[in-house]
Amino acid sequence: NAGVMQNPRHLVRRRGQEARLRCSPMKGHSHVYWYRQLPEEGLKFMVYLQKENIIDESGMPKERFSAEFPKEGPSILRIQQVVRGDSAAYFCASSGGFREQYFGPGTRLTVT
Amino acid sequence: AQSVTQLDSQVPVFEEAPVELRCNYSSSVSVYLFWYVQYPNQGLQLLLKYLSGSTLVESINGFEAEFNKSQTSFHLRKPSVHISDTAEYFCAVSTERGADGLTFGKGTHLIIQP
Repeated sequence: NAGVMQNPRHLVRRRGQEARLRCSPMKGHSHVYWYRQLPEEGLKFMVYLQKENIIDESGMPKERFSAEFPKEGPSILRIQQVVRGDSAAYFCASSGGFREQYFGPGTRLTVT
Repeated sequence: AQSVTQLDSQVPVFEEAPVELRCNYSSSVSVYLFWYVQYPNQGLQLLLKYLSGSTLVESINGFEAEFNKSQTSFHLRKPSVHISDTAEYFCAVSTERGADGLTFGKGTHLIIQP
């Protein structure tokens, strides 16, 4: 499978727990983007990373959210002390440095 | 900063009828434009893109979109829709700065009626 991989596909967390979402980009892609899709809203850009670097995190909430893309392994979006308002679909996209981005199937986070 | 407006949240159309999904954008710099399609509980699939060159771009499944710089629009059209086209369609823009985050419209739900 040469597409963007995300896991888990569904994640349930209680309020106050941590959520870790993983994204493996397409083979040969070194640019990773995270987006959040809330009910009744479109997709909102959160963060753009390249290997070991955060390029643009202008869309990330200032607290509780962090992202990384290590030299080895998948990109991780981490949400600490989750609240009900964090319930959403989180999508990862990758690109090879060109304009178009290719999306993964998403992780649907439910906070109970 | 750029923005994207999709005026119609839902568009109901009869099967085999033509459809147009509207997209307007706002940007102070040159843009690149995209349409993505999302089927229920799935990720987004790139439908077509305008990067440069011909202002009319086509996809393999019969959709087309035309970049109109003067009207800042990138409307999506299909001459004859099928039940399988039922999905959410998102218009998105990125700027000449390059590999930055996409700005999306709120989406249009295309509903095909038999």
